[in-house]
Parts: sequence; structure tokens; C-alpha cells
Amino acid sequence: DAGVTQSPTHLIKTRGQQVTLRCSPISGHKSVSWYQQVLGQGPQFIFQYYEKEERGRGNFPDRFSARQFPNYSSELNVNALLLGDSALYLCASSSQRITDTQYFGPGTRLTVL
Amino acid sequence: AQSVTQPDIHITVSEGASLELRCNYSYGATPYLFWYVQSPGQGLQLLLKYFSGDTLVQGIKGFEAEFKRSQSSFNLRKPSVHWSDAAEYFCAVGAQEYGNKLVFGAGTILRVKS
Repeated sequence: DAGVTQSPTHLIKTRGQQVTLRCSPISGHKSVSWYQQVLGQGPQFIFQYYEKEERGRGNFPDRFSARQFPNYSSELNVNALLLGDSALYLCASSSQRITDTQYFGPGTRLTVL
Repeated sequence: AQSVTQPDIHITVSEGASLELRCNYSYGATPYLFWYVQSPGQGLQLLLKYFSGDTLVQGIKGFEAEFKRSQSSFNLRKPSVHWSDAAEYFCAVGAQEYGNKLVFGAGTILRVKS
């Protein structure tokens, strides 16, 4: 079975631009979470979606938004990019229960110039 | 609020030597605890997890971890390290009250000497 897939792998943007990152969960998984990993730090929780509804939001500005589609794939959007948004963006999927393990994708490396 | 502390930023061990990576968490209720490993430029791979029951948890690649409630710790161990274990290791905590959100430590970079 395919794992969590993310696209694109790498992305370079300039300040002020907008970016959309995509994630496809493991088949059968209904929950998707997004994390931001700045170089040298652990991942930080951004959003969680389950059955197309937002279930949790981390301490990120409103420039960050996300959605989940009927096929459970997800997009993360970031508007008005700042240099500090440069990071590895990780998507994780899990089945549905609170205790279900999160499986991570390879991430999208975003560089903001 | 939940928090995770990994006191060691870098650790170097010789191949074949034993390994212990430390993790301390701060959370009032019963946490769910995880160890993930990340190779350079890669995503996170789950090594092991603790939800309840036996406090000694076995994982993949010969790793194990022990949950000690009294010390708020969940240290990762391996009896004999292989060169392929060189990577960054993250401890994470979750809790039912916070949904499936994970809080990660800052990570420990493991270097293996041959």
C-alpha cells in the first residue's frame, strides 16, 4: 500500500506570494494533520482535519489555512509568505480514533526568498 | 500545556555500543508517547508508541522505550547501535484531550562512530 504522499517535493517562493501544498493520506485513513518543521526544531502542529472538518488548530496566524476533500486528501495554503515560513511541511494521516498512530509523509520543503 | 524536552541535542556513540536517548514530558493526565526517527531530508518514521499497559515498549529496528510515570520520562534505548541508526530522533506526546495533536521535542541528532 502507498504511504502518505505529498506534493510538490520542493518549492521556492518569494515574500508576499501564496503557496498551496498537497497531501494524499494512506488509503482508508480519514484524518489528516499538518505540521511545520523549521530547520533544527521539532515539528509543530498546524491543523488537523477529519471527515472534512477542522478538528484542531495550532498557534499559527490566519495566513495559514487548510481544507480536506471528499476523498480525504488535503491542501495547506499559506498567504503573504514571510521568510520565516521557510520550513519542511509535513502531512500525517491516521485512521479515525484519537489513539490512532499518525503516519507521516516525506514532506514539502518550502523556501521563501 | 503539553511539552516535551529532549535534553541532548547531539549524541555520538560507537558502533556496537548501547544507546539511550532521553525524553521528559510535561502533561497532567495520561499521555500517549511516541518516538519517531528522521533521516536527512526525509519524513518521520514511527519507531514505537505507548498508550497504556506494559511500560516497556518494543519497537522496530531493535529499539525499546520505557515509560516511567514517576519521572515523566520515556527514554529510548538500543543495546547495540548500527551505523545505519545515525539520524535525528524525536520524542512526541499526545493526549485524548487534545485530539490527535502531537507535541514534539526539539530532537536528538545521533552520530555513530565506526
